[in-house]
Amino acid sequence: QQQVKQSPQSLIVQKGGISIINCAYENTAFDYFPWYQQFPGKGPALLIAIRPDVSEKKEGRFTISFNKSAKQFSLHIMDSQPGDSATYFCAAREVGNEKLTFGTGTRLTIIP
Amino acid sequence: ETGVTQTPRHLVMGMTNKKSLKCEQHLGHNAMYWYKQSAKKPLELMFVYSLEERVENNSVPSRFSPECPNSSHLFLHLHTLQPEDSALYLCASSQEAPRADYGSPLHFGNGTRLTVT
Repeated sequence: QQQVKQSPQSLIVQKGGISIINCAYENTAFDYFPWYQQFPGKGPALLIAIRPDVSEKKEGRFTISFNKSAKQFSLHIMDSQPGDSATYFCAAREVGNEKLTFGTGTRLTIIP
Repeated sequence: ETGVTQTPRHLVMGMTNKKSLKCEQHLGHNAMYWYKQSAKKPLELMFVYSLEERVENNSVPSRFSPECPNSSHLFLHLHTLQPEDSALYLCASSQEAPRADYGSPLHFGNGTRLTVT
């Protein structure tokens, strides 16, 4: 049973556009939601994270929107650039538990 | 050296071979992890070591054997693997806090690309 469902599997966005990746979860004990960015040949790196006491968190061009009642959260990349082309993973974690549950990943390609 | 270093970067082994993956973290963290990354699947947590003690073993087959001699080093010993074990194996570390806190984010190495022939 997949606890964090991520969509789409792949996404192509024109340079300057908005990239949107969505995740949904089932476990109501999840209380921390990070996004990781992975470039080819590299390990994932933390991009941005949110806790459910806020509905939105913004860091530069990257924004997480969180809907606790719907058990959904999404990553928005504004003014998408070719350098943003990577695979993005959402994840979720329970408080006090070392284990992160990951989504299946979204391969994002930004075209000029 | 900074961050999390994994060696080797690539490994090709036959099903009867024995090999080991090595991970070293230079971040002063107290927890280390092995993840398996396969195409179109979520990252799969294999093992967690917190303060050098194994706290998680996600029903991983015994042909994978972890070792954590100290808080900076983590090994994954491999023997009699199957072709379906071919994947990217990622090591990660974090600074775990007491319960009711979130600790620090996972810091991943660049992985070992394993091919079993």
